Amino acid sequence: AQTVTQSQPEMSVQEAETVTLSCTYDTSESDYYLFWYKQPPSRQMILVIRQEAYKQQNATENRFSVNFQKAAKSFSLKISDSQLGDAAMYFCAYRTINQGGKLIFGQGTELSVKP
Amino acid sequence: DTEVTQTPKHLVMGMTNKKSLKCEQHMGHRAMYWYKQKAKKPPELMFVYSYEKLSINESVPSRFSPECPNSSLLNLHLHALQPEDSALYLCASSQDLALRTLSSTDTQYFGPGTRLTVL
Repeated sequence: AQTVTQSQPEMSVQEAETVTLSCTYDTSESDYYLFWYKQPPSRQMILVIRQEAYKQQNATENRFSVNFQKAAKSFSLKISDSQLGDAAMYFCAYRTINQGGKLIFGQGTELSVKP
Repeated sequence: DTEVTQTPKHLVMGMTNKKSLKCEQHMGHRAMYWYKQKAKKPPELMFVYSYEKLSINESVPSRFSPECPNSSLLNLHLHALQPEDSALYLCASSQDLALRTLSSTDTQYFGPGTRLTVL
């Protein structure tokens, strides 16, 4: 069964510093998508970044970038120049065609940003 | 514009009440989803609609009844709920529901949620 593991329930970072959130997944599929979603205390889940498994180049979105290691089944999120607004729960998620539309979520990492 | 709206923001209901949650999107998306989320937990998929037809029901109790009146609107009708059903109910939509080929068009965009409390 496909699983997604976020081993850090909580993380903390100083404002303007860099933080990396880890995510590993277990799958026998070769083609899939990986996502990072952010859910601030105001609740709305926002897509941060998406990575196609067939692409070797790591996805980036402004201050957010991923380190995708397909062989190691690792998909970490790096947040550079952390801002107070980055404080949120971050969920890593996985999708493949054999899931019938389901996103498989990790348990989440709660990130706090210290001023 | 990736906006999904949900009403109401908060809902308190008794176990004998009937209420409905509403979700709307105007992005031309043809797939819509209902999730249930407990505090500090990931969302749990409940239902998926594709082209206004129910595509997935994750063995959800019949006291939850989804409805998709048109491609922009998704409702969740609630009846005889239990206190353990108290949660944040999230709606999401995607351009499509790719079941045969992986595609970026099935990236899901979420609404702000309805906080439901069952007394």
